[in-house]
Amino acid sequence: DAKTTQPPSMDCAEGRAANLPCNHSTISGNEYVYWYRQIHSQGPQYIIHGLKNNETNEMASLIITEDRKSSTLILPHATLRDTAVYYCIVGLYNQGGKLIFGQGTELSVKP
Amino acid sequence: GAGVSQSPSNKVTEKGKDVELRCDPISGHTALYWYRQSLGQGLEFLIYFQGNSAPDKSGLPSDRFSAERTGGSVSTLTIQRTQQEDSAVYLCASSRNYQPQHFGDGTRLSIL
Repeated sequence: DAKTTQPPSMDCAEGRAANLPCNHSTISGNEYVYWYRQIHSQGPQYIIHGLKNNETNEMASLIITEDRKSSTLILPHATLRDTAVYYCIVGLYNQGGKLIFGQGTELSVKP
Repeated sequence: GAGVSQSPSNKVTEKGKDVELRCDPISGHTALYWYRQSLGQGLEFLIYFQGNSAPDKSGLPSDRFSAERTGGSVSTLTIQRTQQEDSAVYLCASSRNYQPQHFGDGTRLSIL
């Protein structure tokens, strides 16, 4: 079973920041938080991952709480092309393979 | 550079037939994964190859499913005696050691 809990759906206005929450209260000390997204009819796309420090790349920022029991993915200026299902996944850095996907959050960016 | 390539992109076959799905991983990626996404379901892990190690087959749903990876590169997922419940999108991913996985766009399999 997935180790994360996400809201099933969210809306965001185009140009505004999209903040996607994820709860992972049972995360262990050596597990990372990964975010992927899946745009309709495409394979999942890697976005970002982190252990305990906040991370930022060209796509998004990842904010992890100090107790590591939850995190937030931030898309700073959402566009219509960011409409997708966003998956938060917890796993070992050298987990040797399988990602356990939950149901994710369906983000709709509206004009 | 080139991403993960899967073929065919769509496959329609009759119940009871065998099918083969192909995955070309990103060059230099040592790990290769197969997942399945059924209508209305999440992504389900099937099998994982890492270098020359024995594959992790723990996600294969039945003995009708098998996969091989030849020469540490191309992989083929085979489904024998297909059933209607096998209808799904089959996704392949690859990665370098300890790096995030990169996915192809999948093969959409429909069993009539």
